[in-house]
Amino acid sequence: GENVEQHPSTLSVQEGDSAVIKCTYSDSASNYFPWYKQELGKGPQLIIDIRSNVGEKKDQRIAVTLNKTAKHFSLHITETQPEDSAVYFCAASNTDKLIFGTGTRLQVFP
Amino acid sequence: GAVVSQHPSWVICKSGTSVKIECRSLDFQATTMFWYRQFPKQSLMLMATSNEGSKATYEQGVEKDKFLINHASLTLSTLTVTSAHPEDSSFYICSARDPAQGGYSGYTFGSGTRLTVV
Repeated sequence: GENVEQHPSTLSVQEGDSAVIKCTYSDSASNYFPWYKQELGKGPQLIIDIRSNVGEKKDQRIAVTLNKTAKHFSLHITETQPEDSAVYFCAASNTDKLIFGTGTRLQVFP
Repeated sequence: GAVVSQHPSWVICKSGTSVKIECRSLDFQATTMFWYRQFPKQSLMLMATSNEGSKATYEQGVEKDKFLINHASLTLSTLTVTSAHPEDSSFYICSARDPAQGGYSGYTFGSGTRLTVV
């Protein structure tokens, strides 16, 4: 089955800097890769997603890149703000199931 | 956008009792819902896939008699933790997919239920 690895587990950045979180997946058949933001005590919220037929997608300060050959995808957050502080999860899917990465705790210091 | 409501948001129960958690899709019909479990500072682990009108599909290692799932309508799935024990204490999260969004996207998560068994 699919296995998703995520790095780093924690990331601290200064406000205004960029943050990059990377994930690798094992199943070459996976074709959908969402990223979720989870705040303490809440459910995950979708922030951006990408399909396997696209290499990059951007939405304001957030972008995701996908390298199908290497089986890895990354989340890029530019101009980080304190409210970006949360736990971020990547996920991969080729069926109805989402398999999650291990999560990255992002802290943005003012 | 699609909204998934989960209730209760938190519950405390005594060891040996059962607890029911509800997951509702508010503005769409979901033939499939998913139940996850999340321990502190850990990832979401898929427990089971809830299928409307049929039996749930459980992931390996998840006790189906312990975690009863019922998906009696297109907008409601329930997870019942039976004979709860302290080790069942966790954050339970449901998810539903809006078929109108197509493909494998459109997953919306509930706000989660924190279960504490004392």
